[in-house]
Amino acid sequence: KAGVTQTPRYLIKTRGQQVTLSCSPISGHRSVSWYQQTPGQGLQFLFEYFSETQRNKGNFPGRFSGRQFSNSRSEMNVSTLELGDSALYLCASSHGTTNSPLHFGNGTRLTVT
Amino acid sequence: GNSVTQMEGPVTLSEEAFLTINCTYTATGYPSLFWYVQYPGEGLQLLLKATKADDKGSNKGFEATYRKETTSFHLEKGSVQVSDSAVYFCALLNTDKLIFGTGTRLQVFP
Repeated sequence: KAGVTQTPRYLIKTRGQQVTLSCSPISGHRSVSWYQQTPGQGLQFLFEYFSETQRNKGNFPGRFSGRQFSNSRSEMNVSTLELGDSALYLCASSHGTTNSPLHFGNGTRLTVT
Repeated sequence: GNSVTQMEGPVTLSEEAFLTINCTYTATGYPSLFWYVQYPGEGLQLLLKATKADDKGSNKGFEATYRKETTSFHLEKGSVQVSDSAVYFCALLNTDKLIFGTGTRLQVFP
């Protein structure tokens, strides 16, 4: 069974640009969550989608947005990039039911210059 | 609110030593608890989980017991290997959102 796939693995962007990251969940999983990992802030929850609807949201500005498609694949968009957005962005999928564990992809490393 | 506190790292051990990484939590309700491991350049891998009080999660020689009375979920392994060197994250799951600790780096030397 294929795991969670994130593309691309690495991205370099400049301030002010926007970026889209992609995540394909494990087959059969309907929930996709996004996390940001930085050395200073650790792992922080961005948002969670279930059956194409945002079900949960963390404390990030509106520049961070996401969506989920009917096949459960998800994209995350960051607009007007700032230097502080440099991070490893991790996607996780699960069945979305109570206590179902999250399975993570290898992440997209975003560098903003 | 919900939070997870882990012991500061790095934890440095010789091969075959006993490992304990402490984790305590604060939560409303009865969350599920997890340990994840992150190897260099990779995402997080689920190591083990426990969904209710007194449950013991185990995998690859690692164990952790959900202790409601002490709000703890300490990770243990009887004999570590060099290949166990990684960063370990304790986490709780509440309303489909994982709350992570800051991570503990484990370094095992031959």
